[in-house]
Amino acid sequence: ETGVTQTPRHLVMGMTNKKSLKCEQHLGHNAMYWYKQSAKKPLELMFVYNFKEQTENNSVPSRFSPECPNSSHLFLHLHTLQPEDSALYLCASSQTLSEQYFGPGTRLTVT
Amino acid sequence: GQQLNQSPQSMFIQEGEDVSMNCTSSSIFNTWLWYKQDPGEGPVLLIALYKAGELTSNGRLTAQFGITRKDSFLNISASIPSDVGIYFCAAQSNFGNEKLTFGTGTRLTIIP
Repeated sequence: ETGVTQTPRHLVMGMTNKKSLKCEQHLGHNAMYWYKQSAKKPLELMFVYNFKEQTENNSVPSRFSPECPNSSHLFLHLHTLQPEDSALYLCASSQTLSEQYFGPGTRLTVT
Repeated sequence: GQQLNQSPQSMFIQEGEDVSMNCTSSSIFNTWLWYKQDPGEGPVLLIALYKAGELTSNGRLTAQFGITRKDSFLNISASIPSDVGIYFCAAQSNFGNEKLTFGTGTRLTIIP
């Protein structure tokens, strides 16, 4: 299944580093999402983009900065993260804003 | 806020057994979705439900949209080893809020 791809699949970064996560969807969808998945917690929606415009920012700290240059690509820029930011970061896309299709995720570890 | 209570949290079954899990809420939803997540991967959409009372199958999986719009059920018949994983329900209210609300998941383990 290559509908939604994410890179890198694994990332280890120090608290002073700057890194970016990339997501690409090949499904022709117009909405893209970033989620955070931590152990024993429900999926947490972070950002929503619809037709490249941000329509949702779920009170996410400014050390996470999203970018959506077009409907097929979504980035999450990371800087000065904290150890509690370690999690699986999932990208998803949808056409109807209902049936969301997820990528494989980026496992992030902040040391 | 809206919350989905998914149960059971975990299940240990033998291969060949049938599985039932459910998702309930105090809020009304207009769309219910069921996903499965394998270790190290993202959730994969299994079944989508759009109408109260709707019963939909996908192979050995059957899901129902509760008539009250506050719950949904997922059944797996004749489980096989590849059914192992975490199953999530998700729901959307469509009342000017297009976000999906997710349950906390049911972890399915098959005992050899």
